[in-house]
Amino acid sequence: NAGVTQTPKFRILKIGQSMTLQCAQDMNHNYMYWYRQDPGMGLKLIYYSVGAGITDKGEVPNGYNVSRSTTEDFPLRLELAAPSQTSVYFCASTKNSYNSPLHFGNGTRLTVT
Amino acid sequence: AQTVTQSQPEMSVQEAETVTLSCTYDTSESDYYLFWYKQPPSRQMILVIRQEAYKQQNATENRFSVNFQKAAKSFSLKISDSQLGDAAMYFCAYRSAGTGNTGKLIFGQGTTLQVKP
Repeated sequence: NAGVTQTPKFRILKIGQSMTLQCAQDMNHNYMYWYRQDPGMGLKLIYYSVGAGITDKGEVPNGYNVSRSTTEDFPLRLELAAPSQTSVYFCASTKNSYNSPLHFGNGTRLTVT
Repeated sequence: AQTVTQSQPEMSVQEAETVTLSCTYDTSESDYYLFWYKQPPSRQMILVIRQEAYKQQNATENRFSVNFQKAAKSFSLKISDSQLGDAAMYFCAYRSAGTGNTGKLIFGQGTTLQVKP
């Protein structure tokens, strides 16, 4: 199993550009999450999904959008990139909402200049 | 809203010694889960240990153990016989366990652990 796969690993954007961060999992997990990690800080939740077709905002959703058309994929869209969105982005999934741990992808390092 | 606080931004330990990382949390819930994750320089997030709040017994995983004090809302991680490979950032995380919970984790700010040879 590949687990949680994120692409790309690195990206540099200019201010105002848009991009989509891809996330796919092959574990048939219903629950998926997007977090961002600023330098030296903890992870903050951007958006999450409890199943295909269902998404909801997390702690820091402004400037981002998500969709969940399939169980496997949970892309994160950045519109009009801003320097404040420079961060490392992690996608994660879990089997259930209680004792199953989150499985994380390896992250995407995004720089907006 | 729940919060998680790690008050030690950095810690260091001599190889083979024991170190304890602190974590406190704030919640009005009685049923929840707590986790410790390790993030080495590769930035991969690795589960170290988990604790169910309804269990009084502290969780252990080889050299890693926790001291779970529910009344004090404290969840510290003890690493015994520290190894160079333990050097990483450690995150404490909280998850609600009530009805309708979404499985999301709330993370602390992290503690960077340095292991000295």
